[in-house]
Amino acid sequence: EIVMTQSPATLSVSPGERVTLSCRASQSVSSNLAWYQQKPGQAPRLLIYGASTRVTGIPARFSGSGSGTEFTLTISSLQSEDFAVYYCQQYDNWPPWTFGQGTKVEIK
Amino acid sequence: QVQLVESGGGVVQPGGSLRLSCAASGFTFSDYGMHWVRQAPGKGLEWVAFIRYDGSNTYYADSVKGRFTISRDDSMNTLYLQMNSLRAEDTAVYYCEKDRGFFDSWGQGTLVTVSS
Repeated sequence: EIVMTQSPATLSVSPGERVTLSCRASQSVSSNLAWYQQKPGQAPRLLIYGASTRVTGIPARFSGSGSGTEFTLTISSLQSEDFAVYYCQQYDNWPPWTFGQGTKVEIK
Repeated sequence: QVQLVESGGGVVQPGGSLRLSCAASGFTFSDYGMHWVRQAPGKGLEWVAFIRYDGSNTYYADSVKGRFTISRDDSMNTLYLQMNSLRAEDTAVYYCEKDRGFFDSWGQGTLVTVSS
């Protein structure tokens, strides 16, 4: 089973700041990596797939990068609506399909 | 547009059973594998089960293997999850998802609470 590890667990940031979230896979997942955003009381929302392909309608301030075992989600200038929990997920080697434990982005 | 509507959740005692349903629309259901994914209160996301587009293979998380059964009825465009021998740790919101490797069609989910 591929274990996905996200860091940090919590990130305290101010609006307008640049944010970088990390996701590490226990073995290579090539570029088969997705990022999700989840706000309280809502279902998750897909942001990025293929490590770097932004879903239609997702603002350009969200970008994904990396391949193999190291991945990054960057929010170039954090907006108030971006405070949420972010999850990464691998779909290269399955079953199981595995998620990271999440990074909470909170207001500083 | 793709729509997935989960139902069948509720409160059940430990050791009990429940069957979840997922009504799919907006895509050719029989062309896609389907998943169940769950989220315990205040916790992260956990993949639960997958069924291939033709029902030929099913896969389960170790945590539910032998207790849960995923199935599909293509004539009804409906996915099911039969959950037996339920435990407190199965308490979660359950989502069904269309397979693209990743999950892009999140519905509202259905809450299962296992409690005496």
